[in-house]
Amino acid sequence: GAGVSQSPSNKVTEKGKDVELRCDPISGHTALYWYRQRLGQGLEFLIYFQGNSAPDKSGLPSDRFSAERTGESVSTLTIQRTQQEDSAVYLCASSPYRGWELFFGEGSRLTVL
Amino acid sequence: DAKTTQPPSMDCAEGRAANLPCNHSTISGNEYVYWYRQIHSQGPQYIIHGLKNNETNEMASLIITEDRKSSTLILPHATLRDTAVYYCIVISGGTASKLTFGTGTRLQVTL
Repeated sequence: GAGVSQSPSNKVTEKGKDVELRCDPISGHTALYWYRQRLGQGLEFLIYFQGNSAPDKSGLPSDRFSAERTGESVSTLTIQRTQQEDSAVYLCASSPYRGWELFFGEGSRLTVL
Repeated sequence: DAKTTQPPSMDCAEGRAANLPCNHSTISGNEYVYWYRQIHSQGPQYIIHGLKNNETNEMASLIITEDRKSSTLILPHATLRDTAVYYCIVISGGTASKLTFGTGTRLQVTL
């Protein structure tokens, strides 16, 4: 498709399990972001990849969270030993250049029971 | 990056212009003003951005004051589909920055 694709769209897991969320950016986009949005709250920045530069991980809330990106393609966000407070919509966005026009996916809704 | 201040909520009648203000009094010379919106249950959507000059596109107009300390996003003919949270973001043109969202303005368009 032409847009940013995220999977799964919905994930229900048990506390303590690991989850992986996937983001397929728009082809050719060099920048990729992950954000978290809890119910009724604003967007929290998690991590930012720009080309081959070292990622900006300053928003990751704990060492249970990690993210990888292969070149300028797919990114995965991994949450280990999930907690109930991890329940949120995780949004991925990509950008074609060094500006700040981001294209967002529809998000992955994570529910931790 | 400079801090922005927006009213928490606004109402607008359908068909009328919606004027959403944003204060960014500490903006510096290389910082841009970006506007995004988030319709309920969707990811944010880029609307428009500017540096010094006023800008217009198919979605909206952006008016930036001469001293750049404030700006206004104008939706010329608001529709019910424009009901959303609107975010004003000030960010440096340098790549070391990251785009962070504040609390925005919740615009309710009514019949």
